[in-house]
Amino acid sequence: AQSVTQLDSQVPVFEEAPVELRCNYSSSVSVYLFWYVQYPNQGLQLLLKYLSGSTLVKGINGFEAEFNKSQTSFHLRKPSVHISDTAEYFCAVIGRMDSSYKLIFGSGTRLLVRP
Amino acid sequence: GAGVSQTPSNKVTEKGKYVELRCDPISGHTALYWYRQSLGQGPEFLIYFQGTGAADDSGLPNDRFFAVRPEGSVSTLKIQRTERGDSAVYLCASSPSTLSYNEQFFGPGTRLTVL
Repeated sequence: AQSVTQLDSQVPVFEEAPVELRCNYSSSVSVYLFWYVQYPNQGLQLLLKYLSGSTLVKGINGFEAEFNKSQTSFHLRKPSVHISDTAEYFCAVIGRMDSSYKLIFGSGTRLLVRP
Repeated sequence: GAGVSQTPSNKVTEKGKYVELRCDPISGHTALYWYRQSLGQGPEFLIYFQGTGAADDSGLPNDRFFAVRPEGSVSTLKIQRTERGDSAVYLCASSPSTLSYNEQFFGPGTRLTVL
C-alpha cells in the first residue's frame, strides 16, 4: 500500500518570494508521482508528474519538483510566487503495479501568497 | 471542448435519504474514477470503471454506496440511507485508457451536505 504525507497544512509566503511545498511518500513498490493544484471552486488540475527518467520535472506555471528516491520525497518548488498561485496543492502517487492507476493523495498544503 | 462535468454542483439532503450524483466524462475516455474529498483532506479513491464494468471498487466505504456506468460513458454514484458522515465533495475524473498511465482529468465536484 502507498501513503503520502504533506506535513505543512498551510504555507504563507510573500509575493515574489521562493516557496517549497514538501511531500514524502511511503510505498513498498515503485510509484509514479504527481502534484495537483486546486483553485477555489475549481476541479483539480495537474501541475506536473514524474513517471521515469530525469528526477527534476518541470510543470505548468513555473513550478518544478525533484524526485528523491533515497529520501522518498517529491518536493514542489517555485522560485518566485504570484498572488494567483494562492491555492491548495496536493501531492499524489500511483503504485506502478496498480492496474487501476488510482491516485493516492496527501492531505494537501494551502499556499497563501501575500502582497 | 467540454471537460468533465458533474451534476448537481451542490446537493443538500436529510439523513436517511437516497441521493444520486452524476458524472459526464470527456468524450471517448474509457476510464472513469470517483473520489471523495472530506473537509481538510485530500481526495480518497472510491471506484474505478474501465468501460462499463467496475474494475476496482475497493474504495467504497460500505454497501450503501454503489456506482454504475451502463453505457460506458455517463456514471452515477448512488448513496442509500445517507448519513451525516457522507457529507463531502464527490469528485469524478476520466482518462483516455489505462493500458498505460494517462492523466486523469477532474470535474468540479458535487458538494453533498447531509443534514
